[in-house]
Parts: sequence; structure tokens; C-alpha cells
Amino acid sequence: GQQLNQSPQSMFIQEGEDVSMNCTSSSIFNTWLWYKQDPGEGPVLLIALYKAGELTSNGRLTAQFGITRKDSFLNISASIPSDVGIYFCAGQSGATNKLIFGTGTLLAVQP
Amino acid sequence: GAVVSQHPSRVICKSGTSVKIECRSLDFQATTMFWYRQFPKKSLMLMATSNEGSKATYEQGVEKDKFLINHASLTLSTLTVTSAHPEDSSFYICSASPLGGATDTQYFGPGTRLTVL
Repeated sequence: GQQLNQSPQSMFIQEGEDVSMNCTSSSIFNTWLWYKQDPGEGPVLLIALYKAGELTSNGRLTAQFGITRKDSFLNISASIPSDVGIYFCAGQSGATNKLIFGTGTLLAVQP
Repeated sequence: GAVVSQHPSRVICKSGTSVKIECRSLDFQATTMFWYRQFPKKSLMLMATSNEGSKATYEQGVEKDKFLINHASLTLSTLTVTSAHPEDSSFYICSASPLGGATDTQYFGPGTRLTVL
């Protein structure tokens, strides 16, 4: 099945550092979503983006919907140990409700 | 609000047996439910889209006779893995879109870990 390219694949950082990850697609999406998944759990929605160029924040998280509608990035500022997990982007075309997920970014935070 | 549950949370079965996984929306009605599978250290891959009262739509490469989906009510969808084999071992996750809600909204369940011996 189709997947979105997400980078980096993994990140190992110190507590307090800022983090940036991005997602690219060959297809245009109407909606970009960012999720966090803890081990053995389902993904939890962090931020939803609905408009090209849109910049949205949720606490220490900021995400942007790329102008071309083919990419998105997620920033986490001042990381803390509980930020550890796998972050997934997901795109939705609008024609259906189907979500196409990115390959994931594993984040590890050293206290 | 918007809680989705899955049962069981984990199941171990013998090769050749069938396993049923339930997905329930606890505090809302869902017109559409989705089933995903996730292999270790991999992303979520959509298996099928399930609409209440109609046949599920399967993604390319997913065998509809092996992964039986039933969406009999607005709060319950089931996935039955028939004649399970070790390669079916995976993490199965469902999501649900609320009736009358935004089309992009999907609430995910906690997942079911299936291990086939």
C-alpha cells in the first residue's frame, strides 16, 4: 500500500532540545494529520491541518501544511522524557476518509 | 469523549483457527470504521473500510475471504481472521469516524496484538 516518506527515521536527543521531523508525498492531500503512538497502543491525534500554508500549534508542538500540499513538518520544542514514542504523519485526500500513514519517526529523549 | 475500544487486547491462537476482534465506539455512533494492521517497527497499513449495513471495501492485496469484516451496528465492527497462520501475527488497530462529524476525524482504538503459533 501507499506510504508517505517521513524523516528522520529515528532521533535520539537530550531533554530540552527542539525536534523537527517532516513528511513528503508524491500526491496532494487536503488534510495532514500528526499522530503519536506509544508502544502497544493506538495512535493519538496531535495536530490536524486543513489548509495549504497553515501553521498550527498545540502546546509545545507546531505543525505546518506545506504550500504544495505534498508535505508537512512537525516541531517539538523543549522536549521532555514523555515525548518519547513514534510519531506518524498521515495524509487524507478528501475523496474518501482514508488515511495514508507515514513511515514513522522514533523519538528517544535522554533525561 | 470519542472513545474507541477493542477486544481482546491480545490473543494467542493456534495455526488454522479463526479469531474475532471487536471494535466498539463507546460514546458515539460511527458510520464508518477502518481496520489497520501494523507489523513491528512499521507503519499502519489500511486493510479495509467498513460502513454500517454494507459490505466492507478492502484495500488492494487484502484477502476479503481471509479477513471477514462485519459492521452490523453504528457502534460495533468486527474483524475475523479466518484460518490464521503465523504470518498473520500482527497488531490490528481499528478507528471510527463519528456520525455527522468531520469526514477527516478518526478515533483510534488501543489495538489488538494477535500471535499465531
